[in-house]
Amino acid sequence: EDQVTQSPEALRLQEGESSSLNCSYTVSGLRGLFWYRQDPGKGPEFLFTLYSAGEEKEKERLKATLTKKESFLHITAPKPEDSATYLCAAIIQGAQKLVFGQGTRLTINP
Amino acid sequence: EADIYQTPRYLVIGTGKKITLECSQTMGHDKMYWYQQDPGMELHLIHYSYGVNSTEKGDLSSESTVSRIRTEHFPLTLESARPSHTSQYLCASSALTGLNYGYTFGSGTRLTVV
Repeated sequence: EDQVTQSPEALRLQEGESSSLNCSYTVSGLRGLFWYRQDPGKGPEFLFTLYSAGEEKEKERLKATLTKKESFLHITAPKPEDSATYLCAAIIQGAQKLVFGQGTRLTINP
Repeated sequence: EADIYQTPRYLVIGTGKKITLECSQTMGHDKMYWYQQDPGMELHLIHYSYGVNSTEKGDLSSESTVSRIRTEHFPLTLESARPSHTSQYLCASSALTGLNYGYTFGSGTRLTVV
């Protein structure tokens, strides 16, 4: 069964304390891996798409990387405004639906 | 600026009422989706559509129904609301072709059934 698992469930950091969020996937033929940010009471906001192992993408303090089994979202010197739930999702060959992980709730304390 | 719009943003309604959650997108996307999300929980796909007159049930069983008469419009209807339907409902769309299968999400409708 296609599955996407994120860890940790929740992460609390001090402002400026860098860390990484993990997304592991077991899917039958990955076509794309997506990262979204979701603020409370709002819809997910698209961050990155990764298509092949070794690919990296950056946006401000965030960098997403992809291997054959997992993806990491690295956050460097985070600020309180980076607090949100970060979702990863996979789309597989032959399918047209995203499979979402359960998310990591990130809190950055000032 | 959001190109996918959901109304209402919040809705409190009594048990047994019929409700329709609206979703419209201006991007000309063929594919549209409805997800249900409880607070702090993951998104569950309840309905999707690959184009006009195409609708499918998602991975999570739902008592709701959908229709797709126009490309830009994908409403979700609950014939008789119950407290168990209390949740956030998120609509999304994406292009049918191309490598970028990223979804664009609406802001959601938070439904409370009392």
